[in-house]
Amino acid sequence: KAGVTQTPRYLIKTRGQQVTLSCSPISGHRSVSWYQQTPGQGLQFLFEYFSETQRNKGNFPGRFSGRQFSNSRSEMNVSTLELGDSALYLCASSPSPGQGFLFGPGTRLTVT
Amino acid sequence: DQQVKQNSPSLSVQEGRISILNCDYTNSMFDYFLWYKKYPAEGPTFLISISSIKDKNEDGRFTVFLNKSAKHLSLHIVPSQPGDSAVYFCAASSGRGSTLGRLYFGRGTQLTVWP
Repeated sequence: KAGVTQTPRYLIKTRGQQVTLSCSPISGHRSVSWYQQTPGQGLQFLFEYFSETQRNKGNFPGRFSGRQFSNSRSEMNVSTLELGDSALYLCASSPSPGQGFLFGPGTRLTVT
Repeated sequence: DQQVKQNSPSLSVQEGRISILNCDYTNSMFDYFLWYKKYPAEGPTFLISISSIKDKNEDGRFTVFLNKSAKHLSLHIVPSQPGDSAVYFCAASSGRGSTLGRLYFGRGTQLTVWP
């Protein structure tokens, strides 16, 4: 099976802009969760989707949003970018919630 | 609140010896635990997991031990190889309740295996 894919792999944006990141889970996996990794905060949970429904959300401002499509692919959006949003954004794929989290390679976002 | 803790930020081990990485958790609802290996700017690579109904799980050179009463788990790597040098993350999840589908991570332990 192909692994979890994330696009783009690298992104440079300017403060105030918005960005959309994409995640394609492993075929057959229906749960997708998103994480932010920064040197200061480590790996922090953003949100989790299952069957197109957001079931869980971490402690991030409303500028961070996401969605899941009927084919289980997921996107996350960050609006009004701030310098502190610079991070590695990781997507994890699970066959069902709570089991077998497999990660994609991540998207490195740099905000200047 | 850090519900999963890895108190050793680094560990240095000679090639061929055992590496033991430790992890503590505070939430008694956690029932599934995972270890990941990670290189900078890459996604975590899954190594091994354990369910709370077990106290040990082995996969090749990797063994995870779970002590539920102490809320402690450890990853043993035997024998350690230079290619094992990376940051290791402990993670936990719960199969029920509001935290379903979410992973809680420790801060990681940098393992260095020297020849």
